[in-house]
Amino acid sequence: KNQVEQSPQSLIILEGKNCTLQCNYTVSPFSNLRWYKQDTGRGPVSLTIMTFSENTKSNGRYTATLDADTKQSSLHITASQLSDSASYICVVSDRGSTLGRLYFGRGTQLTVWP
Amino acid sequence: EADIYQTPRYLVIGTGKKITLECSQTMGHDKMYWYQQDPGMELHLIHYSYGVNSTEKGDLSSESTVSRIRTEHFPLTLESARPSHTSQYLCASSDGYRDTEAFFGQGTRLTVV
Repeated sequence: KNQVEQSPQSLIILEGKNCTLQCNYTVSPFSNLRWYKQDTGRGPVSLTIMTFSENTKSNGRYTATLDADTKQSSLHITASQLSDSASYICVVSDRGSTLGRLYFGRGTQLTVWP
Repeated sequence: EADIYQTPRYLVIGTGKKITLECSQTMGHDKMYWYQQDPGMELHLIHYSYGVNSTEKGDLSSESTVSRIRTEHFPLTLESARPSHTSQYLCASSDGYRDTEAFFGQGTRLTVV
């Protein structure tokens, strides 16, 4: 069964600190993995997208890693800001015959305190 | 900024009413999706489309229906709204050929009273 598991479920950090969010998946055949940021009451916004051959990608203070062998990904946030408070969702796309489906994790709820 | 729009953003409606949630994208994407999301929970796929006149049901059983008469438009209809339909509904689209990222609309927060 294709699944995406994220940890931790929630995380509280102080402003300026770094943090790392985890994503494990069993989706096969794998196409790509994306990290999204979703503010409360809004639609998700893409942070990074990585294919099988990519093992790291950065977008400002966000750095995502991918280990396709162990089927694990992480999202590292550097020097957190209050505006980073949001849900971070890991999404994996398969490469099925029907042009791919998206599988969502439950998200990690990040809260940044001043 | 993604060019995908949902209307209305918020809707409060009585039980038994028929409603249509609108979703439009101007990126020419073939693939479009409808997701349902309860507070603090993950997104559940309820409908998707790979192109005009193509619609499929998703993983989560839903009493809603969709249509795809035009590439840019993917409306979702509830024939008779019930309180159990209260949720956030998110529309998304992606380039089916290149399978790049999916862009999401802002969502419609539906409350059925």
